[in-house]
Amino acid sequence: GAGVSQSPSNKVTEKGKDVELRCDPISGHTALYWYRQSLGQGLEFLIYFQGNSAPDKSGLPSDRFSAERTGGSVSTLTIQRTQQEDSAVYLCASSIRYEQYFGPGTRLTVT
Amino acid sequence: GEDVEQSLFLSVREGDSSVINCTYTDSSSTYLYWYKQEPGAGLQLLTYIFSNMDMKQDQRLTVLLNKKDKHLSLRIADTQTGDSAIYFCAERVGSSNTGKLIFGQGTTLQVKP
Repeated sequence: GAGVSQSPSNKVTEKGKDVELRCDPISGHTALYWYRQSLGQGLEFLIYFQGNSAPDKSGLPSDRFSAERTGGSVSTLTIQRTQQEDSAVYLCASSIRYEQYFGPGTRLTVT
Repeated sequence: GEDVEQSLFLSVREGDSSVINCTYTDSSSTYLYWYKQEPGAGLQLLTYIFSNMDMKQDQRLTVLLNKKDKHLSLRIADTQTGDSAIYFCAERVGSSNTGKLIFGQGTTLQVKP
């Protein structure tokens, strides 16, 4: 079946611009996660959605980062006023019970 | 706090066994995972183990868990060149409503022909 998909696969943006990254989870998976992978920080948890519960935003690095999940399915991660330190690969995962499956990621480059 | 540590690099010869080690700090971890990442690709779930188990075997993969020492290992039998990749250990932490993963830095496995 289809896995987690993310778009775009690559995004180059100028410092100060806003960007939106999209994640389509595996159908039927109730939980959705965003992580960030960068050379300096490794793999970091950003935010987690589970059903209708309030999201766990404890990993968001600043208030420039936000995410929403519409209809319990697709999620969008928004970064406002991008900075060079936001350059990283943004990974989305979805899960049912204990197995988290990752998408291919969006490589964000802020110039 | 939550922390996961791995050695950064391992080199083996094709056909040998590889053992990748990991230590974690959160004693409340419920599940521990191994992921594989090939160059330019996302994370592939290899296997996971529940914290009340001490061993899990899946084909060429064997996971050993020492909960007392908070030590996890992944053994790959008959290592092949296609096993060359970065391997990440991760622990699942938080309450039952929070399933976030805390990852180690990753171990680069180099398999020489």
